Amino acid sequence: QKEVEQDPGPLSVPEGAIVSLNCTYSNSAFQYFMWYRQYSRKGPELLMYTYSSGNKEDGRFTAQVDKSSKYISLFIRDSQPSDSATYLCATKTNTGNQFYFGTGTSLTVIP
Amino acid sequence: GAVVSQHPSWVICKSGTSVKIECRSLDFQATTMFWYRQFPKQSLMLMATSNEGSKATYEQGVEKDKFLINHASLTLSTLTVTSAHPEDSSFYICSARDPIAGNTETQYFGPGTRLLVL
Repeated sequence: QKEVEQDPGPLSVPEGAIVSLNCTYSNSAFQYFMWYRQYSRKGPELLMYTYSSGNKEDGRFTAQVDKSSKYISLFIRDSQPSDSATYLCATKTNTGNQFYFGTGTSLTVIP
Repeated sequence: GAVVSQHPSWVICKSGTSVKIECRSLDFQATTMFWYRQFPKQSLMLMATSNEGSKATYEQGVEKDKFLINHASLTLSTLTVTSAHPEDSSFYICSARDPIAGNTETQYFGPGTRLLVL
């Protein structure tokens, strides 16, 4: 079993739609949860960062962590064509250096 | 946010040659940098953790004699792919942690280096 599972998609939505991206993880020791956006042929860019459970909002983006079900989500409101990218979830423990990444979900927002 | 650069952004080389990739933290000092490789439509695979002033820590299955890592200063880490072969063709991405920033557990990624070995 992989440490982090993520549906690779691809996901295609019309402009203005609400997008829900999800990951599950297996290790209950994970405490840090990140979402990265990666445009084609570019390095990942940090979007959201949360510690432990709860919600975090930043503009049109909301990250949710449910540690009881080991489920993490990223919601994008009023999606724009510029949101078209691959979204990677990542987790890590309190003590280790290693990040565990999902495989990424490819999102296309159609104008 | 913290900025990490990589050079070159892409490189084409002949089989058997060595290629050096630089990773720099531009506006912060990074005691720890990470090297990843990414194949098309796959996620990031951690190759090694680079620590300033000490030897890198390699992940299982990564040949340390083939992928030489040097972290000579707090702002520069280099990855040298020695005797490159076509199967080494990939997207190599470095990242760094900013020990001073509020989110010390996050990583900031460079733009990546695309390597093609002919």
